[in-house]
Amino acid sequence: GAGVSQSPRYKVTKRGQDVALRCDPISGHVSLYWYRQALGQGPEFLTYFNYEAQQDKSGLPNDRFSAERPEGSISTLTIQRTEQRDSAMYRCASSLAPQGPLNYEQYFGPGTRLTVT
Amino acid sequence: DAKTTQPNSMESNEEEPVHLPCNHSTISGTDYIHWYRQLPSQGPEYVIHGLTSNVNNRMASLAIAEDRKSSTLILHRATLRDAAVYYCILRVRGGSQGNLIFGKGTKLSVKP
Repeated sequence: GAGVSQSPRYKVTKRGQDVALRCDPISGHVSLYWYRQALGQGPEFLTYFNYEAQQDKSGLPNDRFSAERPEGSISTLTIQRTEQRDSAMYRCASSLAPQGPLNYEQYFGPGTRLTVT
Repeated sequence: DAKTTQPNSMESNEEEPVHLPCNHSTISGTDYIHWYRQLPSQGPEYVIHGLTSNVNNRMASLAIAEDRKSSTLILHRATLRDAAVYYCILRVRGGSQGNLIFGKGTKLSVKP
């Protein structure tokens, strides 16, 4: 079946512009996660949702970053007034259940490569 | 969250077994041990997880020390496709804290 999809796959933007990154999780998956990955590093947690509720946003670097999942399915990560240091791979993942034995596996999307010039 | 320690890199020959170690000396009784791997230019993918007993699946085996302070991911016959970064991660059993905390992992190179 279809996996996690993300769009766009590549985004080049000028410093100061806003960007919106989209994640389409696996159908029926309750939990959705956003991570950011710098070159040569492991993914770094940003925020996650169970259904439409944002459960934890402690990983968002500052208030220029926000995320929503209004209908409990597709999610958007928005970065306002982008800076060069925001350049990274942004990855989305989903899992079937928020907790318990079914939450053991997260399925990752291909990522969006963001470059801020 | 409990931390894990892994070697930065390891090498293996194709078709030979590979043992990837992970130390987690501060593990608590409610932590599951998870392994993910990330192939070049791809997102991470789940490999295996366990609590106390050794585990096997189609991808790998997980050997957990009796005191649970360390574990070893075993690839029985490495292939070129197994070249990836392997991450050992602890997750609280049944917890609602869903995010994965990745370290730097072990970069596995497989030689033909």
